[in-house]
Amino acid sequence: RKEVEQDPGPFNVPEGATVAFNCTYSNSASQSFFWYRQDCRKEPKLLMSVYSSGNEDGRFTAQLNRASQYISLLIRDSKLSDSATYLCVVKGHYGQNFVFGPGTRLSVLP
Amino acid sequence: DAGVIQSPRHEVTEMGQEVTLRCKPISGHDYLFWYRQTMMRGLELLIYFNNNVPIDDSGMPEDRFSAKMPNASFSTLKIQPSEPRDSAVYFCASETRHREFGSDEQFFGPGTRLTVL
Repeated sequence: RKEVEQDPGPFNVPEGATVAFNCTYSNSASQSFFWYRQDCRKEPKLLMSVYSSGNEDGRFTAQLNRASQYISLLIRDSKLSDSATYLCVVKGHYGQNFVFGPGTRLSVLP
Repeated sequence: DAGVIQSPRHEVTEMGQEVTLRCKPISGHDYLFWYRQTMMRGLELLIYFNNNVPIDDSGMPEDRFSAKMPNASFSTLKIQPSEPRDSAVYFCASETRHREFGSDEQFFGPGTRLTVL
């Protein structure tokens, strides 16, 4: 089993739709969680960190369920510019490294 | 700051040739990572350094791959001899984990797209 798994996608949604991505991780000792965004032929960039209480950044909402080892990302009112691959990232204790999920590709259609 | 700088951005070479990829991390970052990304395998960590010292190279696929970090501002990833299956995008990333001002974020360079014919 991979350490971090994500919905395989691709997700094709119309502009304005709400879309949710799921991610599960296998290491129960994981401490930090992130969503990275990667545009086509570009490098990954941090979208947002994920906190235990859940957090929101504009149209983006991230949730963490430690008991189920599950992370989610919700995008509301999707824009064409949201089209990208979304990578779920998990990190262990201080000093351990990031483990990247395989990514879920999103295409927002006009 | 210019961010993480990688060169070359594109490299096309023939099987058997030596390939050297270069990376300049963000100034002040004490961790440097080399990743490889392919459609089949996603983003894989090859090796990482802390304060210029290699810490974990378990992701390096085989002895044809080697990496060095002679100083805090420069690292190389070398493939010798190269093979077609090495074709991928190679990313360098840097991070600082200083408890006071570390942001727990890895910053990636633009990547080197390697094609081995």
